[in-house]
Amino acid sequence: ETGVTQTPRHLVMGMTNKKSLKCEQHLGHNAMYWYKQSAKKPLELMFVYNFKEQTENNSVPSRFSPECPNSSHLFLHLHTLQPEDSALYLCASSPAAPTNEKLFFGSGTQLSVL
Amino acid sequence: QKEVEQNSGPLSVPEGAIASLNCTYSDRGSQSFFWYRQYSGKSPELIMSIYSNGDQEDGRFTAQLNKASQYVSLLIRDSQPSDSATYLCAVLNSGYALNFGKGTSLLVTP
Repeated sequence: ETGVTQTPRHLVMGMTNKKSLKCEQHLGHNAMYWYKQSAKKPLELMFVYNFKEQTENNSVPSRFSPECPNSSHLFLHLHTLQPEDSALYLCASSPAAPTNEKLFFGSGTQLSVL
Repeated sequence: QKEVEQNSGPLSVPEGAIASLNCTYSDRGSQSFFWYRQYSGKSPELIMSIYSNGDQEDGRFTAQLNKASQYVSLLIRDSQPSDSATYLCAVLNSGYALNFGKGTSLLVTP
């Protein structure tokens, strides 16, 4: 296993719901990332946390709200999403950011917004 | 906008042949380059990294970098059906994380 665990694996939500995605890494890393993967599009970086501090917000709409309480845990809080937000959301970690080393990805959460 | 471009494919090669995957990038200041493999329904996994001009070999995989042409390639020798996947080119430029291309779908036919 990659050492990065994401829950839930699948999520279906309505546009008025509030839900959260969870990511946990057991690798002792200090950087964690949220990426969005939509069909026919490149992996899009959403947020980067380095030593619990948010270092990058890639112009993500405010309906996505990240939280990093410690270096091992990362959340993505979702509210009033749109159907175009349906995608695979991937969490990743690395020893620090930026890094020349590989990213360790979780299995992802497949999100469907109805 | 710092872009990473890949041909989406699908690239179809017969078993045992060499598969050649290509990637171009727009940020001339980029220093680190990676190839990730992603099987359908799975998360990406790193297969090669390269940092300087020339070739980097690991088993059946060879990454090639030409910074003057802003070009990265991945060669897979003796392609196997298990190599069928999407291959993502990723570039570390001035930001804190990698920029990925859309990926090239590779199909190795028996």
